[in-house]
Amino acid sequence: GENVEQHPSTLSVQEGDSAVIKCTYSDSASNYFPWYKQELGKRPQLIIDIRSNVGEKKDQRIAVTLNKTAKHFSLHITETQPEDSAVYFCAASREYSTLTFGKGTMLLVSP
Amino acid sequence: GAGVSQSPSNKVTEKGKDVELRCDPISGHTALYWYRQSLGQGLEFLIYFQGNSAPDKSGLPSDRFSAERTGGSVSTLTIQRTQQEDSAVYLCASSLGQVSSEAFFGQGTRLTVV
Repeated sequence: GENVEQHPSTLSVQEGDSAVIKCTYSDSASNYFPWYKQELGKRPQLIIDIRSNVGEKKDQRIAVTLNKTAKHFSLHITETQPEDSAVYFCAASREYSTLTFGKGTMLLVSP
Repeated sequence: GAGVSQSPSNKVTEKGKDVELRCDPISGHTALYWYRQSLGQGLEFLIYFQGNSAPDKSGLPSDRFSAERTGGSVSTLTIQRTQQEDSAVYLCASSLGQVSSEAFFGQGTRLTVV
């Protein structure tokens, strides 16, 4: 089955800095890579996703890049704000299969 | 609009008792997922339903865990003879089931085994 590794497990940045979270996956058939944000005590919510037919996707301060050859993908957050503080999960899946999640990254943005 | 609904929100049970956790997915979503999240930990996959296909049960940690999905809609996760290590938040999610579609999570059921 799929195995997703996520790094770092914790990340502390100053407000306004950029943050990068990296994930690798093992199943070359995986073609969908979403990122979820989970605030304390709340449910995970999708913030951005990318499919295997594109290499990069941006949404305001958030971007995701995908390298299919190397089987890794990354989340980039620019101009971080305190409200970006949360746990971020990457995931991977192939068609009609479950989502396999990484272990999460706790992002702390200090004012 | 209605999202994914889980009940109960909280459940405290005695060790050795059986519990049932319910998930109402978003109407029209053919895919349904169950995950377990221990305190401060990641999302551990339990079981996945997709339409009328046989469920992917590869994540169930023991034979004390089972799940069913009736009529392609509501799902029930059953834990028999609960143990303290079963204490966690159990999260359900659903998606359209089409290739590469967003999974929407319920608010979870916090299970405490005492």
